[in-house]
Amino acid sequence: IVLTQSPATLSLSPGERATLSCRASQSVSNYLAWYQQKPGQAPRLLISDASNRATGIPARFTGSWSGTDFTLTISSLEPEDFAVYFCQHLNTFGQGTKLEIK
Amino acid sequence: QVQLQESGPGLVKPSETLSLTCTVSGGSVSSGSYFWSWIRQPPGKGLEWLGFLYSSGSTNYNPSLKSRVTLSLDTSKNQFSLKLTSVTAADTAVYYCAGGTYYFDYWGQGTLVTVSS
Repeated sequence: IVLTQSPATLSLSPGERATLSCRASQSVSNYLAWYQQKPGQAPRLLISDASNRATGIPARFTGSWSGTDFTLTISSLEPEDFAVYFCQHLNTFGQGTKLEIK
Repeated sequence: QVQLQESGPGLVKPSETLSLTCTVSGGSVSSGSYFWSWIRQPPGKGLEWLGFLYSSGSTNYNPSLKSRVTLSLDTSKNQFSLKLTSVTAADTAVYYCAGGTYYFDYWGQGTLVTVSS
């Protein structure tokens, strides 16, 4: 299975809405997670099973999916949200989307 | 809260064996509730899964590394380990230990291993 994330880089301003995509090359049901990684830190689990927020994750992070297309939406960007985001299914990671400040 | 901590040499010579240990606290490596794993990230690049390790001791390895990688449990020390043989410069990366129930809920802070003579 290949996970393809888009875009590679997303430039937005605080307060804006971010939409990150992850497409699976074949069906993974809803067995997909999203992680956030800040510079010098380990990834942190945000979303499991495509739409379930992990403990302590703010409500502005929402996961959704349709078929093999998965979306992570951040409703209103906070300064601490600018990071790299990875999707994951079993032993496969997407290549990441860098969310940077515009 | 489960916490993980990697330890091991930060510099390994080409052709030698990279050995890292992950110490688990707040949970048991022998618990059937968890799986354990090693993931690496070359500088400025993405995440590469190396293998899974289960409380039974069974393993799954990345096919691209299968002949070089070994994961093992030490239940007496509540640790699990990674050995990667015949390393080259391409194995230079931050190595993370991770674990969870169905996803990678828990991560170590990562340790940079450089392969250089």
